[in-house]
Amino acid sequence: KAGVTQTPRYLIKTRGQQVTLSCSPISGHRSVSWYQQTPGQGLQFLFEYFSETQRNKGNFPGRFSGRQFSNSRSEMNVSTLELGDSALYLCASKSSTGNTEAFFGQGTRLTVV
Amino acid sequence: AQTVTQSQPEMSVQEAETVTLSCTYDTSESDYYLFWYKQPPSRQMILVIRQEAYKQQNATENRFSVNFQKAAKSFSLKISDSQLGDAAMYFCAYRSAGGKLIFGQGTELSVKP
Repeated sequence: KAGVTQTPRYLIKTRGQQVTLSCSPISGHRSVSWYQQTPGQGLQFLFEYFSETQRNKGNFPGRFSGRQFSNSRSEMNVSTLELGDSALYLCASKSSTGNTEAFFGQGTRLTVV
Repeated sequence: AQTVTQSQPEMSVQEAETVTLSCTYDTSESDYYLFWYKQPPSRQMILVIRQEAYKQQNATENRFSVNFQKAAKSFSLKISDSQLGDAAMYFCAYRSAGGKLIFGQGTELSVKP
């Protein structure tokens, strides 16, 4: 069974641009969550999607948005990039049955210059 | 709001020895889950062990075990017979039933040969 796949692995963008990150969950998993990891703030929850609906949202500005498709793949978009958005963005998928653990992808390293 | 605290930014252990990583959390909920994740240099978060709050018995996974003290809101990880491959950043995480993961700041574990 393939794991959680995130693309791209690395990304360099300029301030003011926008970026879209992609996450393909483990087959059969319907819940996808996104986390931002920075040296200063650590790991912070961005949002969770389940069956194409946002189920939970963290404390991030509206520049951060996401969506989930019918095949459970999810995208995260950040508009008007700021230097502080440079981070490792991790995606995690979870089975819809019961409270099972989340499985993480390898992340997308975003650098904003 | 729930919080997770890891008071040891760095720990070191000799190969084949035992090390304990500390974690405390704060919550008013009675139903929740606790996890230890390992993040090696590859940056992928790997689940090490999980504990359901309603279970009094401490979870064990091979060389990894936890000491779960619900009243004290403490959840430490013990690694026995430490191996070089155990060197990584370890994160303690809290999740309420169906909710988001809340992570501690992490403990960087080094293993000396």
